[in-house]
Amino acid sequence: QVQLKESGPVLVQASETLSLTCTVSGFSLTNYGVIWVRQPPGKGLEWMGIIWRNGNTDYNSALKSRLSINRDTSKSQVFLKMNSLQTDDTAIYYCTTPLMDAWGQGASVTVSS
Amino acid sequence: DIQMTQSPSSLSASLGDRVTITCRASQDIGNYLTWFQQKPGKSPRRMIYGATNLEDGVPSRFSGSRSGSDYSLTISSLESEDVADYHCLQSIQYPLTFGSGTKLEIK
Repeated sequence: QVQLKESGPVLVQASETLSLTCTVSGFSLTNYGVIWVRQPPGKGLEWMGIIWRNGNTDYNSALKSRLSINRDTSKSQVFLKMNSLQTDDTAIYYCTTPLMDAWGQGASVTVSS
Repeated sequence: DIQMTQSPSSLSASLGDRVTITCRASQDIGNYLTWFQQKPGKSPRRMIYGATNLEDGVPSRFSGSRSGSDYSLTISSLESEDVADYHCLQSIQYPLTFGSGTKLEIK
């Protein structure tokens, strides 16, 4: 059974760096990629980026300068790091499979000024 | 980037009504269109992929269709459990882009 679970801080200060972890089970990161999606309060979904099964990455151009996605295949973990946070980065951050047929429960992150 | 224009932004309908939500793509996306349902406080759930293919376990009252660059999600007979936000997604080109979402409520 494919499962994903996000973890990380609930509150981050503006200008600091957000670090989130997506721990997966039921599949290997060497066989499937992982996508990050975020959703500001009361707003729609935004595709952030993907780490492919070969370790390559693609990013939303609007976030590319601040965003990096990495992984540790031995731990079945994918890491999101985004720097220079602003209050409008407050959102629920989700990790999901490339076909988006399985999602984590989301990590709610508030950026405080 | 491909723009997905979703309408309406909100919709109030009665139980048993036929409901349709539409997304229009700014470029050709073929059938690379997915519909998600998101209930309050929950993660999105994939409902329809490839524009018309129903995910396993999704009730048959849900259907997807395409007419040119317009993609529709239809609920043939609205039930109370269908109250949710609905999102479309194009996946033919990176960055993937979502529609702005539709909030569906019961009248």
